[in-house]
Amino acid sequence: EAGVAQSPRYKIIEKRQSVAFWCNPISGHATLYWYQQILGQGPKLLIQFQNNGVVDDSQLPKDRFSAERLKGVDSTLKIQPAKLEDSAVYLCASSLVFQGLNEKLFFGSGTQLSVL
Amino acid sequence: QQPVQSPQAVILREGEDAVINCSSSKALYSVHWYRQKHGEAPVFLMILLKGGEQKGHEKISASFNEKKQQSSLYLTASQLSYSGTYFCGTGFKAAGNKLTFGGGTRVLVKP
Repeated sequence: EAGVAQSPRYKIIEKRQSVAFWCNPISGHATLYWYQQILGQGPKLLIQFQNNGVVDDSQLPKDRFSAERLKGVDSTLKIQPAKLEDSAVYLCASSLVFQGLNEKLFFGSGTQLSVL
Repeated sequence: QQPVQSPQAVILREGEDAVINCSSSKALYSVHWYRQKHGEAPVFLMILLKGGEQKGHEKISASFNEKKQQSSLYLTASQLSYSGTYFCGTGFKAAGNKLTFGGGTRVLVKP
């Protein structure tokens, strides 16, 4: 079974530039999550999609971050403009159905972003 | 609402045991455990639900103590492959089924 695919693997940009990350969840998984993981910390949920609708984006800095999930499959996360504190690993995860707290998450390998 | 994990780091010799705790300030409904190796994706270990039984994955097991609002992960007879960072994720029904992760516990198993 193919896992959660993410690209690019690494990205280095200068502050105030824009960047986009792509995620392809496991086939058939309805729920998709974007997490931000700062070095030495646990993953922090940015946004959660159920099919192509947003379930939770309460921790997404909406002045600079945006995300979409077209057709309920692939998703992109964009940062515009980037700040130094955005340097982190951005993890995408998916689960089969709506996250009912008793369902495991499948994570991608993440995109490591460095903002200089 | 972020759970607190302890210890932050632990170093073991192969074959030794260790316990990692995950504490919440609120009544828990579910606890997830994941392991992440350096540069890799977090990998699911197990889920414990309120009122559920202790779970196991190889020689790794976990318990859920409702009164203490805490879950503990037990690494028994540790192997080199157990090295990595362990994260607990806690869920509360009142929080809209959102999973919140702790800061992680780094485990290093030496030969």
